[in-house]
Amino acid sequence: QVHLVQSGAEVKRPGASLKVSCKASGYTLTDFAIHWVRQAPGHGLEWVGWISPSDGNTKSSERLQDRLTITGDTSANTAYLELSSLTSDDTAVYFCAREGVRYFLEYWGQGTPVTVSS
Amino acid sequence: EIVLTQSPATLSLSPGERAALSCRASQSVSSNLAWYQQKPGQAPRLLIYDASNRATGIPARFSGSGSGTDFTLTISSLEPEDFAVYYCHQRANWPDSFGQGTNLDIK
Repeated sequence: QVHLVQSGAEVKRPGASLKVSCKASGYTLTDFAIHWVRQAPGHGLEWVGWISPSDGNTKSSERLQDRLTITGDTSANTAYLELSSLTSDDTAVYFCAREGVRYFLEYWGQGTPVTVSS
Repeated sequence: EIVLTQSPATLSLSPGERAALSCRASQSVSSNLAWYQQKPGQAPRLLIYDASNRATGIPARFSGSGSGTDFTLTISSLEPEDFAVYYCHQRANWPDSFGQGTNLDIK
């Protein structure tokens, strides 16, 4: 069975950096791409970025690409999202999701709530 | 970036009724479109991929149609557990994008 387990809730100050992990089980990380999607309180889904763990290739949303780093640790079967220079606009639940059928997001982590507040 | 516009924003129906949710793309996405269901406090769940194919374990009352710029998710007879928010998602062009969602609530 495929499972994605994310790290716990975070509270950060403006200007700080964030690192969220997404540990995969039931399959090998390098076999499928991982996406990150976030959802601000009361809002819809926003695509954040993507990594192909097999070759380390990444893509990020234009809005976040200057502050965003997505990595994968194949030895730990885990993907990571790092976001720097946080503002209150980054307050959201961050989801990781694995591609499945035809590259759509078939498996999802439970979400990591992130609050940015002074 | 391809913009996906969902309508209506809110749809109020009763169990047993038929629901039709729309997703319109600002340019053609061919059939590279999916639908997800999200309930409060949960991650989204993939319902439909490639515009019209049901994902594993999705009941037959859910169906998708359309191609190019106009897509529809139809729920033939609403069950109580179907009341949720629905999102469309395109993977035709980078960057990926989601619609703003349709909230399907109980009348």
